[in-house]
Order: sequence, then structure tokens, then C-alpha cells
Amino acid sequence: QVHLVQSGPEVKKPGASVRVSCKASGYTFADYLINWVRQAPGQGLEWMGWISTYNGDTGYAQNFQGRVTLTSDTSTSTAYMELRGLSSDDTAVYYCARVLRGDFALDFWGQGTLLIVSS
Amino acid sequence: SSELTQDPAVSVALGQTVSITCQGDSLRSNYATWYQQKAGHAPVVVIYGVRFRPSGIPDRFSASSSGNTASLTITGAQAEDEADYYCHSRDSSGLRYVFGTGTKVTVL
Repeated sequence: QVHLVQSGPEVKKPGASVRVSCKASGYTFADYLINWVRQAPGQGLEWMGWISTYNGDTGYAQNFQGRVTLTSDTSTSTAYMELRGLSSDDTAVYYCARVLRGDFALDFWGQGTLLIVSS
Repeated sequence: SSELTQDPAVSVALGQTVSITCQGDSLRSNYATWYQQKAGHAPVVVIYGVRFRPSGIPDRFSASSSGNTASLTITGAQAEDEADYYCHSRDSSGLRYVFGTGTKVTVL
């Protein structure tokens, strides 16, 4: 069965960077896009961007343009999200999610990674 | 700020019907996907591709769309349907995606 397992919680200081990993199993990694979504405490879902695990193409939400980089490694079936210039506003749970083929629905999600940004 | 607007909260009596709406200009040319999120858990897709339900999602969940509004209907709401619901679609540029503001559904 499909699983997306994310890296553990992180605590960072303002101005730092963070990289979150998302290891996929149970399907052919390069056949599906991966999206990243975040959710601040008590808030709604916020779409961050997508990556083609086949060719590395990416698309980012305007709010994160220039501050986030999505990458993937087909040899380890792992997707990565790097966010730079952290502030307290970036405190959130970060999710990776697989995109349903032929659609944009997110059919399988990772368990989420809590990032706390605090001085 | 989200380009897709939802009512913050709705309530429904057990066994009754409730509809959740999602409004945005991009919905005139793009359909919405719907997710259910329970506290402390990742979202789960309940409707995709306009009105398809993934396996395991009860048929009491249905969706429709008209103009700039997409709707998710729960017919015969159950206690386990109490959750936050989010719509998801392309944004007005068509190049990116956006989530709705979310609706908290309470089953009385």
C-alpha cells in the first residue's frame, strides 16, 4: 500500500532554513507528482507548490516564490521541501501529498512535520 | 489570502442534510476537489474529479457546481462526519492551486 513518511519535527531560529523529507513507498515514485501543503496552528490549509518526480519540474505558490525549493530523488523515492528565511509565521505542520494521476486531487498524504520557528 | 471562500462553520442535526459551499471566480472554469480533515490528522479526499468518491468514502457525500460556486453535500450526516472540510482547485491564473478557507461541520 501507498505510504508517505515524513521526517521528524524541527525547531529553528528566525532566519534559518529547514529541509523536510517525504519518503514514498508502495508505488512507482516517478509516476506521480508530489505537492506540499502547510497548516499553521488553528488555521486552514495552504498550498505551497508541486514537483514532478519524473523530470524535476516545479511550480510554486506566489507567497513562497523565491523562498522555497522542492526537489526529489528517484533513487531513494524521496521528495524534499526546503524553506529559507524562516519567521514565526512559518510555524506550521508541513505535509507532502501525492497527486492522483489525471487529476490534481491529493490522494495520499504524509503524516505531517511540525516546524516551530522561535528565538 | 485564499481565492476560494467557504463559510467558517455549519451545523447539522444527526441524520439530516448539510451543504458546504466554496466560492471563487476560478471555479467558473475549474472544478473543485473536497477534503475532510479531523483534528490531529492529515486531510482525506472525499470528492475528486467534480463528483467522484474514492473507495471507502460513503455515498452520502456528493458534490455539484454552478457558476462560481462548488458545493459538497452530506446527506444523512453521521457523528463521524464532524470535521473540517476544504475545497481545492486551481487559482485564477490556472497555473497554481489554492485551498478554500475551510468549513467546520458540527453534527448535533
